[in-house]
Amino acid sequence: AQSVSQHNHHVILSEAASLELGCNYSYGGTVNLFWYVQYPGQHLQLLLKYFSGDPLVKGIKGFEAEFIKSKFSFNLRKPSVQWSDTAEYFCAVSRGNNAGNMLTFGGGTRLMVKP
Amino acid sequence: DAGVTQSPTHLIKTRGQQVTLRCSPKSGHDTVSWYQQALGQGPQFIFQYYEEEERQRGNFPDRFSGHQFPNYSSELNVNALLLGDSALYLCASSLVGRENTEAFFGQGTRLTVV
Repeated sequence: AQSVSQHNHHVILSEAASLELGCNYSYGGTVNLFWYVQYPGQHLQLLLKYFSGDPLVKGIKGFEAEFIKSKFSFNLRKPSVQWSDTAEYFCAVSRGNNAGNMLTFGGGTRLMVKP
Repeated sequence: DAGVTQSPTHLIKTRGQQVTLRCSPKSGHDTVSWYQQALGQGPQFIFQYYEEEERQRGNFPDRFSGHQFPNYSSELNVNALLLGDSALYLCASSLVGRENTEAFFGQGTRLTVV
């Protein structure tokens, strides 16, 4: 069975600091990769996605992620965080050509940005 | 364009009872998936419905069952509730057979079993 690991459970940063959240997955075949964000009291929202092509993908709100196939990784980055980025972040993977397939989520990283 | 809607938003049930949660997919979507998100954890896949049939299932007991209606809406039923079933239940919709389309999530139903 595939698994997704997020190495940082809690991250605390000051505004304007750079962010990198790690994500590794175990499946070796064709994968679709996602980062979702869950703001307090709100539903899961898609930050960015990778299906194929350029391994560096850009999402909303200045976030980007890099797919490194050899490392089975899909790390999320943002050069300068804002207080409004305080939320929980989830990496997720689906297999095969249908991106709507079953998603396997990591355990999440809770980010707190201090003003 | 309505997104994924779930009802109810909150629910309190007693151990041993049964519960039904409802989901309406995003307009134009034909596939509904259900996830359980326990406190402090990532969502876990329960099952997926397409064409009114269960197509994929995660590692959940038979107490968890579902249904999809001709209008693509879906229900999640949980029988013989346990305290450990307390969680946020998320519904996600997608469009099968279309590459490069992602799942959209509803706000979830918070189930508390006492």
